[in-house]
Amino acid sequence: EVQLLESGGDLVSPGGSLRLSCTASGFAFNKSAMSWVRQTPGKGLEWVAVISASTGSTNHAASVQGRFFISRDNSKNTLYLQMSSLTVEDTAVYFCAKTRGLERGFFDYWGQGTLATVSS
Amino acid sequence: SYELTQPPSLSVSPGQTASITCSGDNLDNRFVYWYKQRPGQSPVLVIYDDKKRPSGIPERFSGSNSGNTATLTISGTQTFDEADEADYYCQAWDSNTYVFGSGTRVTVL
Repeated sequence: EVQLLESGGDLVSPGGSLRLSCTASGFAFNKSAMSWVRQTPGKGLEWVAVISASTGSTNHAASVQGRFFISRDNSKNTLYLQMSSLTVEDTAVYFCAKTRGLERGFFDYWGQGTLATVSS
Repeated sequence: SYELTQPPSLSVSPGQTASITCSGDNLDNRFVYWYKQRPGQSPVLVIYDDKKRPSGIPERFSGSNSGNTATLTISGTQTFDEADEADYYCQAWDSNTYVFGSGTRVTVL
């Protein structure tokens, strides 16, 4: 059974930083691209970033480019999202998602999400 | 940037069929994916590559994509299940970006 467990969500002040983690099990993590997708309270879904299975190739949404950085440690079956220069608009539930296709792809499994709140 | 447009809400009577649309420029030139999200839960993939169902998704979920509109249909061959009350999101890929529609909230009358 595929399981994705996010952690690291917290309350942080504007301008601050936060690192989210996602621990995966039940599939070959080192053979799967992975993404972060966020959902603002009561709103829709927004893709944040994707990373390839093994080469570490990444792509970030324009809204977070230069502030957020996706990475992974295949030896630990763990995905990360380093977030910096946070603004109130970054307040959201952040989901990690197993990704089919680095390009023209989709998300076949999702974690339960972790809430990051940016507020003074 | 590419946009996908969905109606904000849809109400369905028990036994009726729900058809949720997703519109975008030349949408049939790309694959469309559909996700179901119940309140307080994570999204679940229900259709991929326009019309394929992942393992475990009931046959009453079907998809199509033609011209500028993709459609997710939840058939009414059985009573529309209250468990199908959820937000439904379409998704496509464009210019190195995974794009989501704004979502459609489906409720049972």
